[in-house]
Amino acid sequence: QVQLVQSGAEVKKPGASVKVSCKASEFSSIGYYIHWVRQAPGQGLEWMGWINPNSGATHYAQNFQGRLTMTRDTSITTAYMDLSGLRVDDTAVYYCARVGEVTDALEIWGQGTMVTVSS
Amino acid sequence: ETVMTQSPDTLSVSPGERATLSCRASESVINNVAWYQQRPGQPPRLLIYAASSRATGVPARFSGSGSGTEFTLTITSLQSEDSAVYYCQQYNNWSFGQGTKVEIK
Repeated sequence: QVQLVQSGAEVKKPGASVKVSCKASEFSSIGYYIHWVRQAPGQGLEWMGWINPNSGATHYAQNFQGRLTMTRDTSITTAYMDLSGLRVDDTAVYYCARVGEVTDALEIWGQGTMVTVSS
Repeated sequence: ETVMTQSPDTLSVSPGERATLSCRASESVINNVAWYQQRPGQPPRLLIYAASSRATGVPARFSGSGSGTEFTLTITSLQSEDSAVYYCQQYNNWSFGQGTKVEIK
């Protein structure tokens, strides 16, 4: 069973950047898009964007254009989400998720990374 | 962006009864809709993809239907462990509904 393991919790000041990692347990996951989704405390899910680990191509939600960068390192089966210009309302749990083998829905999820933005 | 609107916001159902959750898309998403279950403190879990296909390991009491702009998740014979928030998602251009909280009476 493929697993996605994310990096640990972060506390940042407003205006700073945060980089969250997401490591797949199997190299076969290289062929499957990775998405990032966030969830503010007590709120719903917000889709942020995806990365194609093979090509490095990305697509971001309009809300994050200019602040969000997704990258990957195929040699270590790890994807990264970098969010800059942090604001207090960026405080959330950030999830990475992998599409399924037979669907573009998000079948495998990381455990989540809490990012707290506070002065 | 395609807006997904779920109803109701909260649903209170007795054990063993049926729960019906709705999701409406602001434009046609064909059948590119998934449903997820999220329990407190856990990541979402994929239940249904392609509007009506159950994901691996999902109990048969969960079923999905619909196409175009109207979609439904049905949970028959509700069990205590089904208490959670349920989200629909369209993966044409990617957006989630606001969620429906299912409570057990």
